[in-house]
Amino acid sequence: SQQGEEDPQALSIQEGENATMNCSYKTSINNLQWYRQNSGRGLVHLILIRSNEREKHSGRLRVTLDTSKKSSSLLITASRAADTASYFCATDAASGTYKYIFGTGTRLKVLA
Amino acid sequence: SAVISQKPSRDICQRGTSLTIQCQVDSQVTMMFWYRQQPGQSLTLIATANQGSEATYESGFVIDKFPISRPNLTFSTLTVSNMSPEDSSIYLCSVAGVPSTDTQYFGPGTRLTVL
Repeated sequence: SQQGEEDPQALSIQEGENATMNCSYKTSINNLQWYRQNSGRGLVHLILIRSNEREKHSGRLRVTLDTSKKSSSLLITASRAADTASYFCATDAASGTYKYIFGTGTRLKVLA
Repeated sequence: SAVISQKPSRDICQRGTSLTIQCQVDSQVTMMFWYRQQPGQSLTLIATANQGSEATYESGFVIDKFPISRPNLTFSTLTVSNMSPEDSSIYLCSVAGVPSTDTQYFGPGTRLTVL
């Protein structure tokens, strides 16, 4: 079964607002990663959070992980038009293989 | 993080032909992977490229359709064989093992259109 179902599928906000995207998964994980993809190009790695971590920050990004609920969220604060992209979560498929299963993604549009 | 390049960046091919996509990394990496992203969809793992041995394919993908080579720790190729319009996708290679074995980094992708 597919890991990483994300919601919302699409999100449109005004510049300066915060954007929150959620990812749910089905089986136990060691790590969860968030990626950004601009217009069908390559993926940019944003943050990796491990199963024993609850929250991580990177600049305007905040990622939380709740392993009891099998869910993660990505918060982008003070959004900019340049944040317009698709965002994907990815969970490790099996321990020791470094294979990741990707979620369905959230298409974020930030309006100037 | 590793610098990953892919060739070609895009191509338009005729039905029934084959295309080989190259992935080059600027440093030795433990793992290399190939993904497919169909239009408007998420990424689907095709296979793990194993150095010096046959690739490990995911369910729904076979070697005859997607032969993969990995002759060393910095280079891999994916061939899309006997193409049909359904093969139109973005193909991405990714690597893990530089510097953390957990973080996976992606190449810029190859956009393939099959007519």
